[in-house]
Amino acid sequence: SQTIHQWPATLVQPVGSPLSLECTVEGTSNPNLYWYRQAAGRGLQLLFYSIGIDQISSEVPQNLSASRPQDRQFILSSKKLLLSDSGFYLCAWKGVSVGMAFFGQGTRLTVV
Amino acid sequence: DQQVKQNSPSLSVQEGRISILNCDYTNSMFDYFLWYKKYPAEGPTFLISISSIKDKNEDGRFTVFLNKSAKHLSLHIVPSQPGDSAVYFCAASGDSGSARQLTFGSGTQLTVLP
Repeated sequence: SQTIHQWPATLVQPVGSPLSLECTVEGTSNPNLYWYRQAAGRGLQLLFYSIGIDQISSEVPQNLSASRPQDRQFILSSKKLLLSDSGFYLCAWKGVSVGMAFFGQGTRLTVV
Repeated sequence: DQQVKQNSPSLSVQEGRISILNCDYTNSMFDYFLWYKKYPAEGPTFLISISSIKDKNEDGRFTVFLNKSAKHLSLHIVPSQPGDSAVYFCAASGDSGSARQLTFGSGTQLTVLP
């Protein structure tokens, strides 16, 4: 069966520090991968999605970037965090022919 | 511009009664709709979905209804249980078999009172 791992679960970082969140998927190959953010009291906003290695699409301009160095690995990064980057970050995967996406447990990021 | 809207941020229902969560969309290209359930500090979990070729899909206590002409869908939970208390997200996709991303609503917090 397929599983998705996302870490860390919580993170407190100072303004201006770098960020690296990692997500890996097991039990499937060539998944579509996604990074979402849920800001406090708001819905899920798509940040990036990827249909293959080194193929990244950005949905909103921001202080973040994403990379997919391996088929089942998706990384969310920032060189310098802003206070507004605080939120709940979710990684998800979807099979090419499957309609629904499956989410990781999420990372609570607090920028102080 | 929000393409998927959940206008009720919260809903309280008595245990055993019906919970009805609503969702409206504006993009007529959406052809696949999903409901997710989310507990605090956890990722959303898939609940139920419906394709635009149907107007109803049922799975146990959960039923999703789709009204394409009104661009409206709803999730019915009968009977509601305290464990159903969570945030429910409506999502839509323009192509069920592609890499197209899901567009989510802002969520509705359901509280089922014992």
